[in-house]
Amino acid sequence: AQSVTQPDIHITVSEGASLELRCNYSYGATPYLFWYVQSPGQGLQLLLKYFSGDTLVQGIKGFEAEFKRSQSSFNLRKPSVHWSDAAEYFCAVGVGWGKLQFGAGTQVVVTP
Amino acid sequence: DVKVTQSSRYLVKRTGEKVFLECVQDMDHENMFWYRQDPGLGLRLIYFSYDVKMKEKGDIPEGYSVSREKKERFSLILESASTNQTSMYLCASSFGSRGGGASNQPQHFGDGTRLSIL
Repeated sequence: AQSVTQPDIHITVSEGASLELRCNYSYGATPYLFWYVQSPGQGLQLLLKYFSGDTLVQGIKGFEAEFKRSQSSFNLRKPSVHWSDAAEYFCAVGVGWGKLQFGAGTQVVVTP
Repeated sequence: DVKVTQSSRYLVKRTGEKVFLECVQDMDHENMFWYRQDPGLGLRLIYFSYDVKMKEKGDIPEGYSVSREKKERFSLILESASTNQTSMYLCASSFGSRGGGASNQPQHFGDGTRLSIL
């Protein structure tokens, strides 16, 4: 069965520091992978997606993610975090019938 | 831009009531989804629909039903609300995938309805 694991429930990072959020997936075929962000009280917004090709994917808000097939990982990174990046981040893999399997999420807190 | 609109941001109901949550999308998407979101559990799929009048159970359909009479509208119904259905409910939509295989189409989400059952 497909699954998505986000090992870090909560991460605290200083403003201006780099951020990396981990995501591991279990899926039989070539996966379609997504990262979403959810600001407090809001719905989910798509940050980026990976389908094929270049394994380094650029997204909105200065985020990027790297697909590593050998490690079954799709980690999200940002070189320099802003206070507005405080939010919850979800990794997801596309499964049948347009459904997405989501990870449990990582809460990011940004300190001054 | 895709717009997914959920009818209420906050809703308070009493146990035993029949509750309707409405969702409308404006991008002619074939697929629509209802999730509930609870702390530490991420998003869990309740029901989804890949066409008008079609519906499929997700991971946690018990206590819920859905209706899709028009392509743009997908309703979630709590037949007899209970306190354990207090949660954030999120609606999403996406383009369809051919043949039911895994899709590369992202889902677009509404802002959510925070439902409290007293």
